Amino acid sequence: DAGITQSPRHKVTETGTPVTLRCHQTENHRYMYWYRQDPGHGLRLIHYSYGVKDTDKGEVSDGYSVSRSKTEDFLLTLESATSSQTSVYFCAITPRGGETQYFGPGTRLLVL
Amino acid sequence: GQSLEQPSEVTAVEGAIVQINCTYQTSGFYGLSWYQQHDGGAPTFLSYNALDGLEETGRFSSFLSRSDSYGYLLLQELQMKDSASYFCAARGADSSYKLIFGSGTRLLVRP
Repeated sequence: DAGITQSPRHKVTETGTPVTLRCHQTENHRYMYWYRQDPGHGLRLIHYSYGVKDTDKGEVSDGYSVSRSKTEDFLLTLESATSSQTSVYFCAITPRGGETQYFGPGTRLLVL
Repeated sequence: GQSLEQPSEVTAVEGAIVQINCTYQTSGFYGLSWYQQHDGGAPTFLSYNALDGLEETGRFSSFLSRSDSYGYLLLQELQMKDSASYFCAARGADSSYKLIFGSGTRLLVRP
């Protein structure tokens, strides 16, 4: 257990509404990641962070933004949710110098 | 670009041995990782190979051949609880520790 929590764990929202997902970690890890997981696609990186206020895009970043104002929190925002963003979202961390990623429990998002 | 290919589904019998293959194409390469994910759960780390050869961790082993851009996960003495999805993942040649994941292999263990 790497002390990662995600909130909310489940959310149903309507197309066009903004949504923010939160990832919280308790062990001051520098690297944090947001993935989405869809059937047949495995895990795809949305955005990642390598420090406070240091973020960069992953392979599927369109329609998403992130912020990291504190080491422990990494927020993922869907500015205007679309049905194609219905997915399971996982947050992950990599301990310093490590090759292992530890994942949070996930957030199931349904956009109607 | 980077991509990892693995079979979508494998079925095996309880007590048997199964091998899940992964071939990769990456612009740079540090090593190959394997993750397990049960339905409804989060991925969990199984093993990592940085060098060619076999790494053994209990019933699970992982192999890497850099020259062939190929690796596999070997599960021995299969148990029903091993029914899950297995993902290979590779880290490219930058400092961000980003991983690219394969699309996953769903393993079904039958009695």
